[in-house]
Amino acid sequence: QIVLTQSPAIMSASLGERVTMTCTASSSVSSSYLHWYQQKPGSSPKLWIYSTSNLASGVPARFSGSGSGTSYSLTISSMEAEDAATYYCHQYHRSPPTFGGGTKLEIK
Amino acid sequence: EVKLEESGGGLVQPGGSMKLSCVASGFTFSNYWMNWVRQSPEKGLEWVAEIRLKSNNYATHYAESVKGRFTISRDDSKSSVYLQMNNLRAEDTGIYYCTLLGADWFAYWGQGTLVTVSA
Repeated sequence: QIVLTQSPAIMSASLGERVTMTCTASSSVSSSYLHWYQQKPGSSPKLWIYSTSNLASGVPARFSGSGSGTSYSLTISSMEAEDAATYYCHQYHRSPPTFGGGTKLEIK
Repeated sequence: EVKLEESGGGLVQPGGSMKLSCVASGFTFSNYWMNWVRQSPEKGLEWVAEIRLKSNNYATHYAESVKGRFTISRDDSKSSVYLQMNNLRAEDTGIYYCTLLGADWFAYWGQGTLVTVSA
């Protein structure tokens, strides 16, 4: 199965700071099949970015996604308080679908 | 508004059985593949099972870790999907989410139901 490794596992950012987190796949994943979810404590995950770079409904434009092959990233152009959460990458390029271990983003 | 509401979780002894249910609303249930995904501190997010459409003969797929023990099913007339879990193990402990597959991402998630396997 395709293993997704996210880094860093935990990070903190100041309000207004640019944030980038990465997701590395153990084998190549088509960009159409790499997605990101946001999860806050006590809530279920929410689709955040699909097919590498498409924002889900309601996601602020300060979020963006990019990547190809085995390397993908999620960027926040200017950190806001509401962005503190855990972000998970997910691939459905090859069965079984798998998830990364998550990046927990905190406010500095 | 899409809603997925799980039920049926609780405490069960190792080797026991439990059946989870998920009732869906806000979309044409019979047109979508449905999945169960679970989450635990030890394993993080883990896909469990998938069921496809009537046109796919309700084909099912399972994670290796649950194959032969879990059974996913659906009742389109009730907009519901189920997960029958047998021979439960401690490592099956976690929050179980019902999810709607849109294209090939999990577009919507329920609030989850907690399953605890412990003596």
